[in-house]
Amino acid sequence: QTVVTQEPSFSVSPGGTVTLTCGLSSGSVSTSYYPSWYQQTPGQTPRTLIYNTNTRSSGVPDRFSGSIFGNKAALTITGAQADDESDYYCVLYMGSDIWVFGGGTKLTVL
Amino acid sequence: QVQVVQSGAEVREPGASVKVSCKASGYTFTTYVIHWVRQAPGQRLEWMGWISAGNGHTKCSQKFQDRVTITRDTSASTAYMELSSLRSEDTAVYYCATKPTGYTYPFDPWGQGTLVTVSS
Repeated sequence: QTVVTQEPSFSVSPGGTVTLTCGLSSGSVSTSYYPSWYQQTPGQTPRTLIYNTNTRSSGVPDRFSGSIFGNKAALTITGAQADDESDYYCVLYMGSDIWVFGGGTKLTVL
Repeated sequence: QVQVVQSGAEVREPGASVKVSCKASGYTFTTYVIHWVRQAPGQRLEWMGWISAGNGHTKCSQKFQDRVTITRDTSASTAYMELSSLRSEDTAVYYCATKPTGYTYPFDPWGQGTLVTVSS
């Protein structure tokens, strides 16, 4: 079974730029996987950031952007802020009505 | 405004079953699909399955397909997820999330989550 891969952890300095990725254990991610990205802080419900590869959800600052970067989906945070410190999850549509979440990336801002 | 509200926390013994509900409001229930996602303590989000509120079609992850039953009651605008043969590893927060029919839409909004604790 194909696994959706994310970096387990990442660190960024305040004001810096970071790109988190979402790949496949076998194959390449394309727009046909309809990647979406969610932010979750401990004890909270996930918040939608990006869907359909690069569409920003309502109310999400434009410093969050989504794209396909090489053979992976990517979430880029430009001008990182302290409250961006969270877990970030991608989810991909795998076909046949199946969706799979990645393992999540714990982002530290310091 | 689209909202989903889930049932309250549950405690079950190993081997038992649990049924979690997800009541939707603010939109035409049958035009959306409802997904179920769980998160064990300190672990990642895990997609379990979904149901079309319109025609009742369901699909579950291979991991859960022998133990999960997803249903809906259109008259009550409510979806249900029943997990059977519970074991300690099923202790988790269970979320429902709605989305319009179609692959381009996100899982949004999410319910508040239902904590299911499996313990003897």
